[in-house]
Amino acid sequence: DTGVSQDPRHKITKRGQNVTFRCDPISEHNRLYWYRQTLGQGPEFLTYFQNEAQLEKSRLLSDRFSAERPKGSFSTLEIQRTEQGDSAMYLCASSPGQGGGNTEAFFGQGTRLTVV
Amino acid sequence: AQTVTQSQPEMSVQEAETVTLSCTYDTSESDYYLFWYKQPPSRQMILVIRQEAYKQQNATENRFSVNFQKAAKSFSLKISDSQLGDAAMYFCALFNFGNEKLTFGTGTRLTIIP
Repeated sequence: DTGVSQDPRHKITKRGQNVTFRCDPISEHNRLYWYRQTLGQGPEFLTYFQNEAQLEKSRLLSDRFSAERPKGSFSTLEIQRTEQGDSAMYLCASSPGQGGGNTEAFFGQGTRLTVV
Repeated sequence: AQTVTQSQPEMSVQEAETVTLSCTYDTSESDYYLFWYKQPPSRQMILVIRQEAYKQQNATENRFSVNFQKAAKSFSLKISDSQLGDAAMYFCALFNFGNEKLTFGTGTRLTIIP
C-alpha cells in the first residue's frame, strides 16, 4: 500500500466548468476526510465519511459541492459551476476508524485547483 | 465550536539548535487528541507527534517533544538538534471525539539556517 493517493495533482479549469477529484484511501481505512487549504492557511474541514456514509458536511460546502464514497472505498469530490474562490488545494485524508489510537489521519498530496 | 491558534506565522532556527513552536486551543470536550503535522514544500502532510488529552506525560518522538498544559489549553512543540530537513510548515491540530474531525491552526513556517 502506497498511502493515500489523489488524482489529478493539478487542475486548471475555466470559471463555470465542473471538476471532479478522486481520492484513494489506504486500504481498510474506514474514515475518509476532505479538506480545503488556501495559501497561508491551515486545512479547513469540508466533509467526512465512515465507510460509505457521509457523516458530516461543513457549512463551507455549498450546494455546488458534492462528495461520494461508493462502496466505502475511493471517494470523489465534485465542484459544479466553479468560481475563482474555489481555487485552493483539496486534501484527502484517511484514518483507520473510530476511537482510541485510530485517530491518526494520513494525508494525500492534494489536488491543486486553479479556476481562471 | 473548537479552535486552534498558532500565533507564530514564521520561525527560524540555527541548524543544531532548539526551537519551540506555540499552539493554543479551545474545546468544550474533555476527550480529545492533539497533533503536530509537518507539511514540507510541495509535499504531503505527515504526522510528527500525537498527545492524548487524558495522558499527563508529555509525548516525545526522537528529537520532537511537546509541552502539554491541559488547564492552560496549550500545546507547544519543541524540536531539538534542528536539521535542514525540518524546514516546513508545521500545523497544530485538534481531534475532538465529539465531532470526530481534525481542526487545524493556521500554521508556522519553520526555516532552518545552515
